[in-house]
Order: sequence, then C-alpha cells, then structure tokens
Amino acid sequence: DGGITQSPKYLFRKEGQNVTLSCEQNLNHDAMYWYRQDPGQGLRLIYYSQIVNDFQKGDIAEGYSVSREKKESFPLTVTSAQKNPTAFYLCASKFGTSMNTEAFFGQGTRLTVV
Amino acid sequence: EDQVTQSPEALRLQEGESSSLNCSYTVSGLRGLFWYRQDPGKGPEFLFTLYSAGEEKEKERLKATLTKKESFLHITAPKPEDSATYLCAVHAFSGGYNKLIFGAGTRLAVHP
Repeated sequence: DGGITQSPKYLFRKEGQNVTLSCEQNLNHDAMYWYRQDPGQGLRLIYYSQIVNDFQKGDIAEGYSVSREKKESFPLTVTSAQKNPTAFYLCASKFGTSMNTEAFFGQGTRLTVV
Repeated sequence: EDQVTQSPEALRLQEGESSSLNCSYTVSGLRGLFWYRQDPGKGPEFLFTLYSAGEEKEKERLKATLTKKESFLHITAPKPEDSATYLCAVHAFSGGYNKLIFGAGTRLAVHP
C-alpha cells in the first residue's frame, strides 16, 4: 500500500538527548515537510525539502535538523537545543513542488520529554 | 500578515443537526484553500481543495464553499462518526517562501 510512514508512534526523550523521528514515503512524491502541532495551535512548519539533498528552514527550525539523502526519506532530528520539544510531529509529502496541490500526512509521532 | 482563523473552536451537535464551520483568511493572492479532517492521535486526512471564489465541493455529508475572504464547511445531518477536528489551510507566499498556513482547527463532537 502506498503511503507515508512515521516511526515511532511514541517517543520519550531525556533532557539533553538528541532523538530522530523517521518519515518514509512510497508515493514517489517530490516534496516532503515536517510540522509541529501543539494544543490549540495550527500546524507550524519546521523544515521542508523539494528535492533530494536540498532542504529549507520553515518558521520554527531552531533546535531541529533534517536530511534528504533519498527521495523516499526525510528524517527529523530534535536536538538538545530545542528547549520545548514535547509535541505531536507530523510529516507530509506532495507530488511536485507547486503549493496549489494537496499534501498528504503520516500518522504522527508524539514526543515527550521525561 | 497572512493569517487563518477558524471558528468556532469547538462545536457540539446532535446527530442530524446540520451546521457550518468557518475558516476566514487574510493572504495575498490565494492559490488554494485546503480542508482536512484529523482524528485524535492521527495525522490529518485530506478532504477538499478550493481554488477560486464561488467554487464548491462535496463529499458525502460535507460541502465546502469558498468566497474571497472565507470558506465554510457545511455538515448536513451529521453522524457520530463525523466527530473530529477539522483543519483549514491556505497557500501563501510568506517569509520568503511558499507555505501552507494552518488554522487552529474546529473540534466537532456529534452526539447520538
């Protein structure tokens, strides 16, 4: 089945640790995105990539890093520099790079700092 | 400033009681408005894309409409399985790049 797979579903991070969230898609989509969702707020863009080996910062990139070595994969690392990482993280992808087509989302990773 | 505002924040309906959700936006040069449904603990599920004022789209009990300043998601004779958070997003060129700007969503609860 085609789709976007995020793993793990739940992730716990200790203070000072880096953690990596996985996002894989087999839709042959060009563009991939990472969003953060907090209660009562809209989704906020962290990073996006429109092509392999290229990515751009979104509105809230500080404390996060990404890579795009393969078209299918766009992992997000939450570094120790991110002071408030507890949130629901969503990965999305879309065909082409035009913004007037819909994005499709994975099922999310809930990250909690312990 | 580009902005998307959804109202109400939460809506409680009885089964069969029709209503509408609102998404108002201020963006320069709208290129697309998107509606998504999100169930608790899940990723958003795409529903509709609207491109120009006057456009309408329907899917089962849902109908989305678009004007120059806002979009409505009409829910006709809702059922309990329609309970979810409904998200609205618009495409905008902001901060130096193209991006989707999301509203905070409307939490819909439909009771039998």
